[in-house]
Amino acid sequence: GAVVSQHPSWVICKSGTSVKIECRSLDFQATTMFWYRQFPKQSLMLMATSNEGSKATYEQGVEKDKFLINHASLTLSTLTVTSAHPEDSSFYICSARWGPWGGGAEAFFGQGTRLTVV
Amino acid sequence: KQEVTQIPAALSVPEGENLVLNCSFTDSAIYNLQWFRQDPGKGLTSLLLIQSSQREQTSGRLNASLDKSSGRSTLYIAASQPGDSATYLCAGTGANSKLTFGKGITLSVRP
Repeated sequence: GAVVSQHPSWVICKSGTSVKIECRSLDFQATTMFWYRQFPKQSLMLMATSNEGSKATYEQGVEKDKFLINHASLTLSTLTVTSAHPEDSSFYICSARWGPWGGGAEAFFGQGTRLTVV
Repeated sequence: KQEVTQIPAALSVPEGENLVLNCSFTDSAIYNLQWFRQDPGKGLTSLLLIQSSQREQTSGRLNASLDKSSGRSTLYIAASQPGDSATYLCAGTGANSKLTFGKGITLSVRP
């Protein structure tokens, strides 16, 4: 299957600082990328959907000014957690999909990033 | 709004047993259904993808079926091994291209 690389795999930061997480599709062009958040023993919660060259679409309840998403190219999307606080500590996972919007394309996931804010 | 349910939340079986993991969804208007595996602290690995027009897909010891009319999918694992221990999630893709996930089934295969 296709490979999605997410970096870093874990990060510890101080409260009030910003953290950037990168998501790259290594062997395909991702027309759409998704960012998820996962709490312990819970399922994945979709935060936002991004298409290359356009603004991300955020899910209800997700602060777009806090979670900045940039999908600058067909192979790279970044999530920046701004002014991080301990409650932002979580596991963040990106997903990339090729193919037309709404099509039956398979979704591939990165390895996830464990963010701990102290 | 699509809801995906996976019951039970956890399952423990002895090595070698054949087992079935269940997944149910409320909205039959899905483009596809995917089964994923997640190891602790890791991302998701795609196991099988079933398009809405398909009934089943097979990969090695894994077989996934899809019955849209009843809103059900199953993942069959043959001859389970300790290395199969992980959390298995199913997710349906809706018309908005978004995946809706179940909470997963944590499988433990005892040697």
